[in-house]
Amino acid sequence: DAGITQSPRHKVTETGTPVTLRCHQTENHRYMYWYRQDPGHGLRLIHYSYGVKDTDKGEVSDGYSVSRSKTEDFLLTLESATSSQTSVYFCAISEPWRTEAFFGQGTRLTVV
Amino acid sequence: QKEVEQNSGPLSVPEGAIASLNCTYSDRGSQSFFWYRQYSGKSPELIMSIYSNGDKEDGRFTAQLNKASQYVSLLIRDSQPSDSATYLCAVNTGNQFYFGTGTSLTVIP
Repeated sequence: DAGITQSPRHKVTETGTPVTLRCHQTENHRYMYWYRQDPGHGLRLIHYSYGVKDTDKGEVSDGYSVSRSKTEDFLLTLESATSSQTSVYFCAISEPWRTEAFFGQGTRLTVV
Repeated sequence: QKEVEQNSGPLSVPEGAIASLNCTYSDRGSQSFFWYRQYSGKSPELIMSIYSNGDKEDGRFTAQLNKASQYVSLLIRDSQPSDSATYLCAVNTGNQFYFGTGTSLTVIP
């Protein structure tokens, strides 16, 4: 298995609170991604990073921010959690172009 | 129009049969194509990658790519109950991966 660790694996939080999810890799891959997966929508890209301090938005970035201060760590922050952000969040890593993405175990987030 | 479209299924096949999964994509500049398998409650797992037109075989799995038709398919031969999962088609356009919504496959013993 690719060396990708997500933490926490499960979290329940209250509406309006900030939440940070962490993705840690040991593969030294350049690209890191945050996806959310919801029934009927598949995997949707939230944000991605193509290097330290280099990030860009995906298709569902509203309400989320990211940071990457080290190659191995990519943080996803929900600035003020809402019930619509209840989802399963996956981190993925890859190298540029003709390579595959490898996924972490996922974080199940429930906002109540 | 979605970047990647798959038949959502569900698809049911008897054990030992061939399962056929299909995917179309919209970006003609896409260069890398992947099939992932996802068991319920688990993360997606890569099973096939294909980069050139034609067929690529790996054990019981065959991926087919037709760039002119913007079409990717996955054939699973001699389907087993353990193949029951959701199969995700993915396309890499350079720096982003786009995923279909997945096709749910059930192999009936």
